[in-house]
Formats: sequence, C-alpha cells, structure tokens
Amino acid sequence: GAVVSQHPSWVICKSGTSVKIECRSLDFQATTMFWYRQFPKQSLMLMATSNEGSKATYEQGVEKDKFLINHASLTLSTLTVTSAHPEDSSFYICSASKGKGEAFFGQGTRLTVV
Amino acid sequence: DAKTTQPTSMDCAEGRAANLPCNHSTISGNEYVYWYRQIHSQGPQYIIHGLKNNETNEMASLIITEDRKSSTLILPHATLRDTAVYYCIDVIQTGANNLFFGTGTRLTVIP
Repeated sequence: GAVVSQHPSWVICKSGTSVKIECRSLDFQATTMFWYRQFPKQSLMLMATSNEGSKATYEQGVEKDKFLINHASLTLSTLTVTSAHPEDSSFYICSASKGKGEAFFGQGTRLTVV
Repeated sequence: DAKTTQPTSMDCAEGRAANLPCNHSTISGNEYVYWYRQIHSQGPQYIIHGLKNNETNEMASLIITEDRKSSTLILPHATLRDTAVYYCIDVIQTGANNLFFGTGTRLTVIP
C-alpha cells in the first residue's frame, strides 16, 4: 500500500500561537488530500479538502482563516492552526488518495494547546 | 453525515472469527463498500472493499448481501492486535474521495 506520513506526531503549544502540521505522500502523487479532526471517543470529522495548486475547500463550520491549508506540491499538504486555543486540542489526521476510492491515512498529530 | 449503521461495540475471543455487520440502507448502485479500522491513537487503516461480490484478502473477508443493503467484515482468526474501531463506508470510486466516517464498531479481542 501507499505511505502517507504526518509530522509531527504530537505537539504541545501555548494558547495564542500557531502550529503547522505536514502531510506527505511518500511514494505517490496526490492532487487531493483531506484533513480530519477527531475528538476523544468520537469519529473522524472531515475539516477540509486540500487541492494542489488551488484553494482548499472547507466543510461547513470550519473556519478557513483559523485552519490554513496549503497544498503547494503533489506530495505535500500543510495545515496551520492559527492562534490556537485549548478547544483546538484534538487529533488531526490527513489522508491522500491514489484514486478509485481507497484512501491512505497519516499516523495523525495530537495537538495539545495549553 | 455517515450513511451506514453499525453496532457500537463487540467482543471476540482471541483466535475466533470476528464478524462485524454493517447496514447500507441507502447505498446507491455506483457506491462501493469500504472497510477501515482505527487502532487507538493512529490513523485509519484500509482493510478491504467490494461492490457486490464477496472479497478476500490477507487481512479479512467481506460478504455483501445480494441487495447490497448489508455487509459483514470477517476477521477469520482475531488477535489482540485486531482490537480497534472498525468503520464501513459507502464510497463512489471517482478519483480522490473524502470519506465520511460514522461511529464505527469498537471491537475488543479478549485473551
């Protein structure tokens, strides 16, 4: 199967600061990547669709100015949580697809805002 | 919103077969049945998928009813490492797809 790598695996930041999370497809090119958020004991919720070379598409209720997404190349998408607050603490997961419905997920990033 | 329904939790004895059901009451003709699992604090892992025929791979078997309204994921010999949340999802195979996860089934394999 294909490999998607996320970095960092975990991060602790102070309230008010920004945090960048990287998602890389290591052995294939992905024109589209997806970002999910997962709170404890809940399912994954799609936040946004990251499109290479164009603006991301955000799901309803997700603030685009707070969660900045950049997909500058076919193998890298980044999610920046700006002015993070404790309620942004969550497990963030990216995925990429080679097409045909099968998605490959990163290992996730646990963000804790203190 | 997720379109599939699954039991919240199940237990299975180690070494026995784990049968995880899923209802796809609103599945459309061009949607495939996909199964993923998520081990605690990790990203989801693809398991298997199918359209209407039964499928088998090195991880599991997938049984889809003739009307495609339900499916069953079978782990033939469950191990402790199979303890995870299992998700069934209806997916249209047209390029990259976002996946809408339901609540899934929390499978606990008991020694």
